[in-house]
Amino acid sequence: AQSVSQHNHHVILSEAASLELGCNYSYGGTVNLFWYVQYPGQHLQLLLKYFSGDPLVKGIKGFEAEFIKSKFSFNLRKPSVQWSDTAEYFCAVIPSYGNNRLAFGKGNQVVVIP
Amino acid sequence: EADIYQTPRYLVIGTGKKITLECSQTMGHDKMYWYQQDPGMELHLIHYSYGVNSTEKGDLSSESTVSRIRTEHFPLTLESARPSHTSQYLCASRGTFNTEAFFGQGTRLTVV
Repeated sequence: AQSVSQHNHHVILSEAASLELGCNYSYGGTVNLFWYVQYPGQHLQLLLKYFSGDPLVKGIKGFEAEFIKSKFSFNLRKPSVQWSDTAEYFCAVIPSYGNNRLAFGKGNQVVVIP
Repeated sequence: EADIYQTPRYLVIGTGKKITLECSQTMGHDKMYWYQQDPGMELHLIHYSYGVNSTEKGDLSSESTVSRIRTEHFPLTLESARPSHTSQYLCASRGTFNTEAFFGQGTRLTVV
C-alpha cells in the first residue's frame, strides 16, 4: 500500500519568512496528490491538488506545490507566511487507479510568530 | 461548501457502552473514509468504503465496525467502548475520479 513521509514535524518561523514542507510518497504507479490544512479547532481543508499536467500547482492563500515524479515528491511552498498560516499541514496520496486508500503523512505543525 | 456531516461533535461515555458515530454526505460520493486522529497527530485510516455494501479495513487496526447500506451514510460503531478509544474520529467522502476528499468536522470521543 502507498505511504507518505513528512519530515520536520514542528516548524517555527517568523512572519514574512518563506516556508517549504517536504512530502515524499511511495507508490510505483500514477497517483493523485494533495495538501490539506487544519487550522486550530477546524476541520481539514484542501490547500491544493495534483492530478496530471503542469507539475507546479497553485492553491489557496498563496501556497504552491511542485510534483517531481523522479523524486516521488510533492513539496509545499509559500514565499512569505503570515501569522494566520499557523496550522497543521498534511500531505496525502491516492493511486489514480486501483485501490481507494487515501493515505496521509504525519503532518507538519507550523507556528508563525508575529 | 462541502456537505458532509458528523454527529455528535463531542461525546463522553462510560467504559463498556456501545456507541455509533454518524457520518452523512449529500454529494452522492461513492467513496467514504473513517480516520482516527489524536490531537496534533497524524491521521490513521481505520475503514473505507468504495460503494454500497463494500467496506474495507484501513491501515490501523481498530475494534470498530462500519456499514454502508446507503450511499450517503457511513456509520462507525464501537460495541464496547474503552478508554483507549478516546480520540477524534474524522469522516471523509470522495467522488469517482480525480477528485479530492471532503472532511466532516469530526467527533471528539472521550471514554471514561
